[in-house]
Amino acid sequence: GAVVSQHPSWVICKSGTSVKIECRSLDFQATTMFWYRQFPKQSLMLMATSNEGSKATYEQGVEKDKFLINHASLTLSTLTVTSAHPEDSSFYICSAREGPQPDTQYFGPGTRLTVL
Amino acid sequence: GESVGLHLPTLSVQEGDNSIINCAYSNSASDYFIWYKQESGKGPQFIIDIRSNMDKRQGQRVTVLLNKTVKHLSLQIAATQPGDSAVYFCAETLVGGYQKVTFGTGTKLQVIP
Repeated sequence: GAVVSQHPSWVICKSGTSVKIECRSLDFQATTMFWYRQFPKQSLMLMATSNEGSKATYEQGVEKDKFLINHASLTLSTLTVTSAHPEDSSFYICSAREGPQPDTQYFGPGTRLTVL
Repeated sequence: GESVGLHLPTLSVQEGDNSIINCAYSNSASDYFIWYKQESGKGPQFIIDIRSNMDKRQGQRVTVLLNKTVKHLSLQIAATQPGDSAVYFCAETLVGGYQKVTFGTGTKLQVIP
């Protein structure tokens, strides 16, 4: 089956530093990838939609200069949290879409970010 | 820091009983719905989907019911097992065109052995 990986699975950083999270589709090509954020005991909130070779589309309220998304290839998207602060601590989940239909969307295992 | 956590609704079910998890969706234009299972510390896992031209769909031990009139979905799990313990999310989207998937609030299912 289609597999999406994320790296790292968890990261702890100091306030003010930047953190990069990678999302890879391992056995398929993903024209579109999605980044979600999930706080404890809450649902997944879409942050942005990223298309290979073009700028990401951010959801309302998500700061594009703080959450930099790069989708440089059909198998890799990265999310960089710049100048991270404790309120950015969360579980970040990526999802990759193999085709236009929703049933071809697969989720990664998530990355736990803790900002001290 | 992280937001003060809301408490997910919890459904406790005896092992072997049937579980019914309900969800209200928000967009009347949505025409494709998905149920996901999320275990602690992991990403969501696809369980079953249904298109708006159907009102029921069955999988292995799971059934999804759709009531478009009241924008309501339910997930029925037959003969619930301890491995079914997780948080379940319904999600809505539009078919075609790489449309985003929007998650609803989740329900925590606890299976009592």
